[in-house]
Amino acid sequence: DQQVKQNSPSLSVQEGRISILNCDYTNSMFDYFLWYKKYPAEGPTFLISISSIKDKNEDGRFTVFLNKSAKHLSLHIVPSQPGDSAVYFCFRGGNEKLTFGTGTRLTIIP
Amino acid sequence: DGGITQSPKYLFRKEGQNVTLSCEQNLNHDAMYWYRQDPGQGLRLIYYSQIVNDFQKGDIAEGYSVSREKKESFPLTVTSAQKNPTAFYLCASTPGQGSSGANVLTFGAGSRLTVL
Repeated sequence: DQQVKQNSPSLSVQEGRISILNCDYTNSMFDYFLWYKKYPAEGPTFLISISSIKDKNEDGRFTVFLNKSAKHLSLHIVPSQPGDSAVYFCFRGGNEKLTFGTGTRLTIIP
Repeated sequence: DGGITQSPKYLFRKEGQNVTLSCEQNLNHDAMYWYRQDPGQGLRLIYYSQIVNDFQKGDIAEGYSVSREKKESFPLTVTSAQKNPTAFYLCASTPGQGSSGANVLTFGAGSRLTVL
């Protein structure tokens, strides 16, 4: 079973500081990960992805790091803005079933 | 613009009634998915379909049924056998395995079902 776990259900960060969201996974067969952002009563939207040929991918304020030996990835948001307040899902691709982690609710404090 | 349309956005149902949630996409995607979100919980996979006339159970398929008669459409029926149907339901699609962007799900806006 390819599991993706987000162990922190919530995180609060001051505006302007760095937000770090974490995700652990088991089974290294599929090493392609995505992060999605979700606002209440809306569908999730794709944020950023990373594959096993890289250990870092950057897109503006968002950077994802992949540590294959630790089976861990993290999403860094810097600087954090009020509009970043949402639920973030770590997501494992590479197979047809496409399952999500449980999500981390990020709250940016003005 | 291409996208996924879910309807209705809000739906109320009496206990014992079946309801069908509509999901239509004009993205020419092969694969479609249904997820359920409950308060404080993540997204759980109900059913998915990689191709027309074929679909597979996800992690919580009991009490649900689907059909995939057309590429563009993947309706979800919530049957009276589903014990806790009140939830937010999300439909999504991808181009399909082997395609560029196969892992990037495009989501609809969701349907909120409330059982009275």
